[in-house]
Formats: sequence, structure tokens, C-alpha cells
Amino acid sequence: AQSVAQPEDQVNVAEGNPLTVKCTYSVSGNPYLFWYVQYPNRGLQFLLKYITGDNLVKGSYGFEAEFNKSQTSFHLKKPSALVSDSALYFCAVREWSSASKIIFGSGTRLSIRP
Amino acid sequence: DTGVSQNPRHKITKRGQNVTFRCDPISEHNRLYWYRQTLGQGPEFLTYFQNEAQLEKSRLLSDRFSAERPKGSFSTLEIQRTEQGDSAMYLCASSFEEGTYGYTFGSGTRLTVV
Repeated sequence: AQSVAQPEDQVNVAEGNPLTVKCTYSVSGNPYLFWYVQYPNRGLQFLLKYITGDNLVKGSYGFEAEFNKSQTSFHLKKPSALVSDSALYFCAVREWSSASKIIFGSGTRLSIRP
Repeated sequence: DTGVSQNPRHKITKRGQNVTFRCDPISEHNRLYWYRQTLGQGPEFLTYFQNEAQLEKSRLLSDRFSAERPKGSFSTLEIQRTEQGDSAMYLCASSFEEGTYGYTFGSGTRLTVV
């Protein structure tokens, strides 16, 4: 069965510093990997995905993520954090099967201090 | 088409009452998903449809829960005899069948059972 883990409940970063939000996954076969962001009382917004190809994928709002197959990780990164990046971030995985669905991690709250 | 629409945005109900939520997906998407999210947690998969066929139901979906997508367009999620533990955000998402582009989520319906 597929699963995804986000080991940090909260990440605190100063504005202008680089940020990393960690994610590891477990699937049978090749994964589809996603990052979503959620602002208070809102639905989830898609940030980026990895399907195949380059291990470094770029997404919305300057975010990027690095796929590492040997470590089964898909960490979210940004070179310079903004206060407006403060939100709840979810890593998600789906098996490479048309019948499967996306499974979400428990989320990491990102807090950027001015 | 402006995305996935969910109604109502908020619902407060007394324990034991029945409630029904509606989701209107992106018109070109043939897959529709329901997730439940409790405070501070990641979304948990409930069920999904391909066109009008309900293809999978989670064990989280007790006998009190039923979902329909009668014409392969909008979907309804009904909860009978609500309990306080049903209080959560109910999220709807839609996608193309392959799902390689991830899901588009609605803003959710927040249910409070008092």
C-alpha cells in the first residue's frame, strides 16, 4: 500500500532564508509525487508534481522539489522564503496505476518570520 | 468553468440530523474524489467516481455515508444520523482519468455537528 510521511509538524524559517520541507514516500513501482499548499479555511492548491524526467521539478510561487529515488524522498525547497509562504504544506503520492488515488501526508506547517 | 465548486461552504447541524453536500467538478474531468480533513491533519480519502460509477470506497466511509454521481457530472455526499465525530472539512476534487496532472480541489464544506 502507498504511504507518505512528513516528519516535521512545523518548520520555522526567517524571511529571506532558504527553506526545506521534508517528505518520504512508499509505493509499489514508480510514484507520482505532488506538493499542495493550504491556506486557512481554504481547499488545497497544487504547487508542483513529479511524474518522470528531471529529478528537480519547479512549481508555483518559486517552489521546487527534488526527487530522490534511492532515498524515496521528495523534499520541497525554496531559495528565499517570504512571509506570505506561511501555510500548511502537504506532500502526496499516487501509484503509477490509473486505478489508484492520491494519498496525503499529515502536513507540515511552515512559519516564516519577518 | 472556474474550477471545482462545493456547496454549502459551512454547515452546522444537530447530532442525529442528516446532511447533504454537493460538488460540481471541472466539466472536462471524468474523475471525482471525496476526502475528509480534520483540523491539523492531511486529507483522508473517502471515495471516488469515474463518470457515474463509484469505483472505490474507503473503510472510513461507514454505512451512514453515501455518495452519488448520478449523471457523471455533479456529486452529492450524504451523511445520515450525524455524530460529533463527523465534524470535519469535506473536500471534493476532480481530475482527468490519468490523474497525471494531479487533482483540482474545491474550497470544501466545513461540517460542525453540535
